[in-house]
Amino acid sequence: DAGITQSPRHKVTETGTPVTLRCHQTENHRYMYWYRQDPGHGLRLIHYSYGVKDTDKGEVSDGYSVSRSKTEDFLLTLESATSSQTSVYFCAIKIPSTDTQYFGPGTRLTVL
Amino acid sequence: GDSVTQMEGPVTLSEEAFLTINCTYTATGYPSLFWYVQYPGEGLQLLLKATKADDKGSNKGFEATYRKETTSFHLEKGSVQVSDSAVYFCAVNYGGATNKLIFGTGTLLAVQP
Repeated sequence: DAGITQSPRHKVTETGTPVTLRCHQTENHRYMYWYRQDPGHGLRLIHYSYGVKDTDKGEVSDGYSVSRSKTEDFLLTLESATSSQTSVYFCAIKIPSTDTQYFGPGTRLTVL
Repeated sequence: GDSVTQMEGPVTLSEEAFLTINCTYTATGYPSLFWYVQYPGEGLQLLLKATKADDKGSNKGFEATYRKETTSFHLEKGSVQVSDSAVYFCAVNYGGATNKLIFGTGTLLAVQP
């Protein structure tokens, strides 16, 4: 257990509304990641963070923004949700001095 | 670009059968290799890993060997159980600034009693 929680765990929203997903870790790991999981694609990186206020884009970042104002929280925001953003979102942390990532329980987001 | 190719499922086996799930990756540098497992309704759990050529990762009866010459990391288990039913993901970390994981598309394993 890497001490990662995600909230909410499930959310249904409507097209055009803003949505923020939260990832919280208890062990002060420097690197945090947001992935989305879709059938036929496995998991794909949306954004990642390598420290407070230090973030960068992944391969599917369009339509998403992130913020990290403190070590333990990494927020993913959909400014104006679209149906193509219906997915399961996973947060991950990287263990220091290794390249191993551990994942949170996921958030299932449905955009109607 | 970097990619991971994983055998498509679903794979349906009877209990105690031998399991192989194939995984190959593009040969860029010296990546670390991982297998993750996702049980129904749950998140991803790290199953095993290998960080250099000829390393064997193992856990819960599952094994995978880092084969650099064939750029493969096939997952095997000698005798599967119903409780092994899950989706299995092969993943590769090529390192660099992001340390991001590149995932295969996942293989659904269904084990029947």
